[in-house]
Amino acid sequence: EIVLTQSPGTLSLSPGERATLSCRASQSVSSSKLSWYQLKPGQAPRLLIYGASTRATGIPDRFSGGGSGTDFTLTISRLEPEDFAVYYCQHDTFGQGTRLEIK
Amino acid sequence: QVQLVQSGAEVKKPGASVKVSCKASGYTFTNYGISWVRQAPGQGLEWMGWIGTYDGKAGYAQQFQGRLTMTTDTSTSTAYMELRSLRSDDTAVYYCARDLHYIRDYWGQGTLVTVSS
Repeated sequence: EIVLTQSPGTLSLSPGERATLSCRASQSVSSSKLSWYQLKPGQAPRLLIYGASTRATGIPDRFSGGGSGTDFTLTISRLEPEDFAVYYCQHDTFGQGTRLEIK
Repeated sequence: QVQLVQSGAEVKKPGASVKVSCKASGYTFTNYGISWVRQAPGQGLEWMGWIGTYDGKAGYAQQFQGRLTMTTDTSTSTAYMELRSLRSDDTAVYYCARDLHYIRDYWGQGTLVTVSS
């Protein structure tokens, strides 16, 4: 079973700053199967990125994904107040999540 | 518009079973699979498994093997998730999601399952 490890566990930043979230797989995975989700309390997960780098419909272009093999990243270029949430990468299993909080 | 509407909250005793439904609309049901994901209180997301709606073939996460069954009813465009031998740590919000080649783009609203004696 592939294990996804996300870092950091918590990221404290201010609106307007750049956020870089990491997802490392225990073995090489196909980029086509790597997705990123945003989760806010009381809401269903929201698909942000699929295929490692393709933005889902309606996702602002400040969100971008990259990487291949075992190392993947989600970048939010300029944080908006609504971006503070928990982010998960997923292959089949999910990573443990990165909490993005307001500094 | 695409919608996945799940059944309502459930309260179950330890050892019982629960069956959650997920009714799809706004797209051709058999063109997409359905994944099930849960989130326990204060915990992260946990993938449970996937079912192909065209042929009914399912794959389950290892930790649920033997007590999880996913099914579909194509006549009503509904997917079902049944979890047996419930324990207190199965208390969670359960989600269904439309799934095409690892793209889970539309999600149900979630169903809270509480396991308590």
